[in-house]
Amino acid sequence: GNSVTQMEGPVTLSEEAFLTINCTYTATGYPSLFWYVQYPGEGLQLLLKATKADDKGSNKGFEATYRKETTSFHLEKGSVQVSDSAVYFCALSGGGNTPLVFGKGTRLSVIA
Amino acid sequence: EPEVTQTPSHQVTQMGQEVILRCVPISNHLYFYWYRQILGQKVEFLVSFYNNEISEKSEIFDDQFSVERPDGSNFTLKIRSTKLEDSAMYFCASRGRQGINTEAFFGQGTRLTVV
Repeated sequence: GNSVTQMEGPVTLSEEAFLTINCTYTATGYPSLFWYVQYPGEGLQLLLKATKADDKGSNKGFEATYRKETTSFHLEKGSVQVSDSAVYFCALSGGGNTPLVFGKGTRLSVIA
Repeated sequence: EPEVTQTPSHQVTQMGQEVILRCVPISNHLYFYWYRQILGQKVEFLVSFYNNEISEKSEIFDDQFSVERPDGSNFTLKIRSTKLEDSAMYFCASRGRQGINTEAFFGQGTRLTVV
């Protein structure tokens, strides 16, 4: 079945540091890939997505590239801010009505 | 901007009691989902619903759980006899149409605490 593996947290960075959160997946066919973010006390918000190989999703300075050859969708940001502190979830969808499959989440704390 | 709305935001219930968690999906969406997140753990799929019936469910979604779309706008999750291990954040999500490009929109969640 489909599955997502993302790096264990927590990750603690200083403001303006470079962020990478690794995500790899196992899936049949050609899934869509997503990053969701959960800020403290809030629900899940879509951060970015990519629907086919070599697509790059980007939003709020975050980027992730759909790499079919390495089955990866790593999240990156060049300069994190305190306001980026949240839990980040990598997810995939096999298409159609199939539900999202989530990774375990990575907690990011950014300190000033 | 349209959003998925869940009520209540927090519910405390005694073990063995029935609870109903409510969701109002985005109005023109067709696919509806419930997920749960036990504190500090991953988000787990429970059930998906389309065309007034369950289209897929996980192992977690046993006979204690049921879903309903009673009036064309609300989408409810019922737990008949709650257990301590049902304590979690429950998220409702909806999706507009079939296809790999459509994202799921999530509500803010209902935190269920079973005591």
